[in-house]
Amino acid sequence: GAVVSQHPSRVICKSGTSVKIECRSLDFQATTMFWYRQFPKQSLMLMATSNEGSKATYEQGVEKDKFLINHASLTLSTLTVTSAHPEDSSFYICSARGQAGETQYFGPGTRLLVL
Amino acid sequence: GESVGLHLPTLSVQEGDNSIINCAYSNSASDYFIWYKQESGKGPQFIIDIRSNMDKRQGQRVTVLLNKTVKHLSLQIAATQPGDSAVYFCAENTLQAGTALIFGKGTTLSVSS
Repeated sequence: GAVVSQHPSRVICKSGTSVKIECRSLDFQATTMFWYRQFPKQSLMLMATSNEGSKATYEQGVEKDKFLINHASLTLSTLTVTSAHPEDSSFYICSARGQAGETQYFGPGTRLLVL
Repeated sequence: GESVGLHLPTLSVQEGDNSIINCAYSNSASDYFIWYKQESGKGPQFIIDIRSNMDKRQGQRVTVLLNKTVKHLSLQIAATQPGDSAVYFCAENTLQAGTALIFGKGTTLSVSS
C-alpha cells in the first residue's frame, strides 16, 4: 500500500507555544488529506479535510484559527496547533487519498504533549 | 447523527481460537467499509476492505462479512495469535462522494497464550 509519513512522531511543548506537524505522502499524490485527533482509549475523530490548493473544511467544534491546516502541494499537508494548551495534548493522525473513490492511507501519528 | 458503532468494547480469546469482531453502521448511503488494526502509539493499519456490492471478502487469516440488510459488518480472524492483540476499528464512507472515513468506537482484542 501507499506510504504516509508524519513528523515529528512525538513533541513536547510549553503552554502558549505553537507546534507544526507535517504529513507527507511518499509514493503518491494526495489530492485530499485528512486530520484526525485521538484521545486515549477513544476512536479517531475527524478534525478537518484538506484539498490541495484549497482552504480546509473543518468539522463542527474544531476551531480553524487554532488548528491551522495548509495543503500547499500534492505531497505535503501541515497542521499547526497555535497557542497550545494542555487540553490539546493528544495523538494527531493524518491520512491521505489520491482521488475520490480511492482508499485513505494513514500516517503513524504524532503524540503531542503540552505542559 | 448517523455513525458507525461496535457492539463489544473488549474481546478476550485464547491463542489459536477464531475471533469475531462486530460492527453496526447506520448510514445506508455508505458503500465502502474498512477494518483497521491499531497498536498502542501507532496509526491505524489497514487490514481488509469491502465494497457494498459484495457480502464477503477473504484475506490472509481474515474475513470480512457485510450484511446490508441489517447494516452489519464483521471481521473474523482465524487462529488468533498474540500479535493480533490490538484495538480494531471499522470505518465507513461513501467513496465517490469523497467524504472522509468515519470510525467506530473500537474493540480491544486481547489474545492470551
